[in-house]
Amino acid sequence: AQSVTQPDIHITVSEGASLELRCNYSYGATPYLFWYVQSPGQGLQLLLKYFSGDTLVQGIKGFEAEFKRSQSSFNLRKPSVHWSDAAEYFCAVGAVDSNYQLIWGAGTKLIIKP
Amino acid sequence: DGGITQSPKYLFRKEGQNVTLSCEQNLNHDAMYWYRQDPGQGLRLIYYSQIVNDFQKGDIAEGYSVSREKKESFPLTVTSAQKNPTAFYLCASSGGAGGPLSTDTQYFGPGTRLTVL
Repeated sequence: AQSVTQPDIHITVSEGASLELRCNYSYGATPYLFWYVQSPGQGLQLLLKYFSGDTLVQGIKGFEAEFKRSQSSFNLRKPSVHWSDAAEYFCAVGAVDSNYQLIWGAGTKLIIKP
Repeated sequence: DGGITQSPKYLFRKEGQNVTLSCEQNLNHDAMYWYRQDPGQGLRLIYYSQIVNDFQKGDIAEGYSVSREKKESFPLTVTSAQKNPTAFYLCASSGGAGGPLSTDTQYFGPGTRLTVL
């Protein structure tokens, strides 16, 4: 069955430290990959997406993600986090040979230590 | 400013009542979506519409209904048949009519939190 796993429910990082959020997927075909961020009580905002081409994708707010087909992963990274990055981050995956829907991960809550 | 508005922000429902959640967009987008978000879970698609007067069931459509009479509006009704309606509901839209899996970015509204009393 198609699935998306975000292994970390919570991650705590000190302000200024680097960040990596993990996303692993299970899909038979070439996937479309997305990272969204949700601030408390708010809707979701797209950070970045991958459909094809360069496997290192740059997004907004200084985030980047790398698609690694061999590892079925699309991890999100940021070299130096800011307190305003505290939020919940969602990975979503889809493929052209799946049905109509995106499959969403359960999310990773990022906590920033001052 | 262009965007998606959802109202109300908080909604309380008694058991056995139908309630309607509003979603309006002024982005001139063709496609609109409704998602449900529960704690510790990813988003799940309830319904989507790629064009006016047409809509498709998502993964968890039972107990919900929608209409798309106008391009900018996609209201969701949570009926009494929905056994566990307490959740955070998110509406989204995207520019093309390619559906949930198209390459078009989905833009989300701020959400409505529904609580059953």
